[in-house]
Amino acid sequence: AQKITQTQPGMFVQEKEAVTLDCTYDTSDQSYGLFWYKQPSSGEMIFLIYQGSYDEQNATEGRYSLNFQKARKSANLVISASQLGDSAMYFCAMRFNTNAGKSTFGDGTTLTVKP
Amino acid sequence: NAGVTQTPKFQVLKTGQSMTLQCAQDMNHEYMSWYRQDPGMGLRLIHYSVGAGITDQGEVPNGYNVSRSTTEDFPLRLLSAAPSQTSVYFCASSLQGYNQPQHFGDGTRLSIL
Repeated sequence: AQKITQTQPGMFVQEKEAVTLDCTYDTSDQSYGLFWYKQPSSGEMIFLIYQGSYDEQNATEGRYSLNFQKARKSANLVISASQLGDSAMYFCAMRFNTNAGKSTFGDGTTLTVKP
Repeated sequence: NAGVTQTPKFQVLKTGQSMTLQCAQDMNHEYMSWYRQDPGMGLRLIHYSVGAGITDQGEVPNGYNVSRSTTEDFPLRLLSAAPSQTSVYFCASSLQGYNQPQHFGDGTRLSIL
């Protein structure tokens, strides 16, 4: 069975510092995609970044990067130069080639950026 | 450009009542899904669809029905509401493929008394 684990229920970071949010996954599929979404206190879900299982380079999108370690089955999100607006809940999610219509989400990490 | 539209935004029901949460997307996405999010928790998949006429169960399907008669619409029906179904419900859609991100609606906050 496919499973996503986010072991940090809550994290704090000082403004302008970098922070890493952990995500590990379990799957026997060879072809899969990993996603990170942000949910601010207003409640909407915002897509941040994607990493494919065959991608050799770590994905980057602006201040977001993904530290992908396939052998360890981890896909950690790195946010550089944290801003107050980064305070939100962050979810790691996964889709699989064998059933691409179905996504699995982790329980999320609440990030608080301190001024 | 509406994206994914969910209605209503808020709803209060009495135990035993039925209702339908509406979800519509205008991006011609093949895949659509319904999730529930309980306080402080992640998203749990209720039902999903990979195209018109095709639906399947997710992790927590009991007490919910779906249908997909068109590409655009994917309504979620609560058959007989129970307090345990109090939650925030999100609809999402995406293009085909495991590499496609999902686009989410703004959610429906549902309370069952």
